[in-house]
Order: sequence, then structure tokens, then C-alpha cells
Amino acid sequence: GIQVEQSPPDLILQEGANSTLRCNFSDSVNNLQWFHQNPWGQLINLFYIPSGTKQNGRLSATTVATERYSLLYISSSQTTDSGVYFCAVGYSGGGADGLTFGKGTHLIIQP
Amino acid sequence: DSGVTQTPKHLITATGQRVTLRCSPRSGDLSVYWYQQSLDQGLQFLIQYYNGEERAKGNILERFSAQQFPDLHSELNLSSLELGDSALYFCASSDSAGNTIYFGEGSWLTVV
Repeated sequence: GIQVEQSPPDLILQEGANSTLRCNFSDSVNNLQWFHQNPWGQLINLFYIPSGTKQNGRLSATTVATERYSLLYISSSQTTDSGVYFCAVGYSGGGADGLTFGKGTHLIIQP
Repeated sequence: DSGVTQTPKHLITATGQRVTLRCSPRSGDLSVYWYQQSLDQGLQFLIQYYNGEERAKGNILERFSAQQFPDLHSELNLSSLELGDSALYFCASSDSAGNTIYFGEGSWLTVV
């Protein structure tokens, strides 16, 4: 199956800092999503981005499908950005059909 | 609020027992997914249903089964529970395109 590697595994930053999280995957995909799991366990969808670039406020993401990686950028970090960020990928003829998740990047934003 | 509802939120049960987790997808979503999150295995895809039919199967144990009903809600049945089944079980749903999936708040299962 598809292998998903996320880096770094842990990241501690001060409030206001910027960060880049990376996701490498081992095979062609037509579905890639980024999720944020907050300290209460809720998984929130950030981006559906199988290719290209998207921005949503302080967050943006870029996927280079031909080189099999995706990046999540967080600018001007806030303490509420703390949590685990997951990259999930999949390939199917249609529908998510079971995304494969990476192990996540555990982000801690200190005030 | 993702619109995906899961019950119960917390559950403690003994080894060897059977439990049922319930999920109501977002209004209009035809696909339902079940995931298991544990400390050692991470987030693992278990099974997907689409409009009542099984569509994809992941790392689901034979002791586990699921179904999706005509009203599109889904149930995950876990039987002969073992200590290692303790985990956070997520349900998620998506529309027919499946481009974005939305997760419920999860059901915390503790097997003692």
C-alpha cells in the first residue's frame, strides 16, 4: 500500500512563528487531504489538495503530485494551532475509498 | 461541528464483550467511513460504505463488522473485545465525489 511519511514528527514554536510541515508519499494519488487534530481529539479537515496550491487564512498548502510531496504552511502561529497535523492520501476511481494517514506532526505553540 | 454524529462518546467495557458504535453522516452524504486511532497503530482505515453497500475494506478485524442502513446511518460492531481494541473510533462521511471527508468527534472505547 501507499506509504506516507510526515516531517518533522514534533515541532515546538513560539506564538507568531511560521512553520512548514511536509508530507511525502510513495505512489501516485488522486486524493490528498490535510487534517488538524486538536487537543480534544477532534479531526478537522483543512484542505483537499491532490495538486496545486490553496490558501485559507493563515494556512496554505501546496502539493507537487509529480514529485510526491505536499507542504502545509502555517503563518503567524497562534496557541490554538497546537495539535497534530495529519496528511492523508488515497487513489481510487472515485470517492475517498479509505485514505492512508501519516503518523502526523505534533505541533506545540507556546505563548 | 462537522455534521457527523457519533454515539456513544465514551464507552468502557470488559474483555470478551460486544459493543455497537453508531454514526449518522452529514445530511446528503452517501459515503460513510470507519477509522480506528490507537497510540501504536495511528489512524487506520477500517471500512467504507456507499449508499448501503460495502465499497472498500481496510485493516478491519474479523471480529469487527459494519453496516449502513437505508437511512444512511451506520453501525460498527466490535465483538470478543480484547484490551488492544481500546482506541478512538471515528466515523466520517463524504459526498458522492468523496473529495473531502468530514469526521465525527469519535467514540472512545476502553476495554478493561
